Amino acid sequence: AQTVTQSQPEMSVQEAETVTLSCTYDTSESDYYLFWYKQPPSRQMILVIRQEAYKQQNATENRFSVNFQKAAKSFSLKISDSQLGDAAMYFCAYRRGDMRFGAGTRLTVKP
Amino acid sequence: DGGITQSPKYLFRKEGQNVTLSCEQNLNHDAMYWYRQDPGQGLRLIYYSQIVNDFQKGDIAEGYSVSREKKESFPLTVTSAQKNPTAFYLCASEGTEAFFGQGTRLTVV
Repeated sequence: AQTVTQSQPEMSVQEAETVTLSCTYDTSESDYYLFWYKQPPSRQMILVIRQEAYKQQNATENRFSVNFQKAAKSFSLKISDSQLGDAAMYFCAYRRGDMRFGAGTRLTVKP
Repeated sequence: DGGITQSPKYLFRKEGQNVTLSCEQNLNHDAMYWYRQDPGQGLRLIYYSQIVNDFQKGDIAEGYSVSREKKESFPLTVTSAQKNPTAFYLCASEGTEAFFGQGTRLTVV
């Protein structure tokens, strides 16, 4: 089974600053999808951003962007201009066939 | 409007009893998933189904069973064989992206 690793259990950022969350994955496939999901205290999973592996261009959604390094099997999430509402658990996910998640990174935003 | 619904939100059962968690979607998605989330941890895959009448085991299928008789429905049964069933359970369906239900918190006493 493919594995997804998030090496940062917790991260903290000052409001309005930028933070990067790390994710690596292990696969022998060349065609797959990668996702970042946000889970606030309500526990509702919310899609933040997705990346198709065949696309070289990094995905961007407003203040959220990724750095996708296919050869290195790395998929980091950058949050710019951090807001208090960004505080949550963030999960990296890999999908080809089924969908697998990392252990998550808890992001704290300091006012 | 379209979405994915899990019920109930909270469920209490006595040890040794089987219990079934409901998951229904009206998004016309073929793929559906069940995950388990323990406190402070990520989502671990229990079962997934890519098409009606077919499903595959995930990483932690022991003590669980599923059925996929209809495209819209993917119920999960937590059997008495599951040694530590108390957890938060999330169901998802997927088209171009995965949509999640609000989860069921199962407590076995």
